[in-house]
Amino acid sequence: QQQVKQSPQSLIVQKGGISIINCAYENTAFDYFPWYQQFPGKGPALLIAIRPDVSEKKEGRFTISFNKSAKQFSLHIMDSQPGDSATYFCAASTAGGGNKLTFGTGTQLKVEL
Amino acid sequence: DTEVTQTPKHLVMGMTNKKSLKCEQHMGHRAMYWYKQKAKKPPELMFVYSYEKLSINESVPSRFSPECPNSSLLNLHLHALQPEDSALYLCASSPWGISSNQPQHFGDGTRLSIL
Repeated sequence: QQQVKQSPQSLIVQKGGISIINCAYENTAFDYFPWYQQFPGKGPALLIAIRPDVSEKKEGRFTISFNKSAKQFSLHIMDSQPGDSATYFCAASTAGGGNKLTFGTGTQLKVEL
Repeated sequence: DTEVTQTPKHLVMGMTNKKSLKCEQHMGHRAMYWYKQKAKKPPELMFVYSYEKLSINESVPSRFSPECPNSSLLNLHLHALQPEDSALYLCASSPWGISSNQPQHFGDGTRLSIL
């Protein structure tokens, strides 16, 4: 019940296209959903985060869509660029859970010219 | 550049060695975390310090020993490690302890190789 399932495992998108990564969870106590971006040789960097009282959050080219009833959330990268090529992790945590993140398995994104 | 600084960036050690990993943050954050990350896998939580007290130990083997000398500094002491302990060790921090959900800011890690 603590799992966060992430798909796809890998994704190739053309420059200028939309990249979409999906995550699903079972634990209804999750109430914080961050996305992290990780480049090779670097640590994960917080990209954007959402709480379940909001259905969508946008920051620049990055948008999180959240569907509480379906227990799913997704990351959309608009106008994808080669510099977006990285591994993306979704995560979730529960209030009072010690700020412990349950990570998805990761999506390796490659944006081709 | 990340605001969580980890040293060294790379470490190679034998199974009988003793070494330490260091993490510093000067953002005034009150919670600090150690994670282990294997290639192509998500980070796995090891330890959490909140207000300089060990709050969470995810059943980590005793060959890993964390220490939080002050609110800005976190160490991970290593002794008698096994080859399967080779991984990227990440440090993270968050602003307000662990009583609420909040962003975690990661360093770039120490790449550890056990011979």
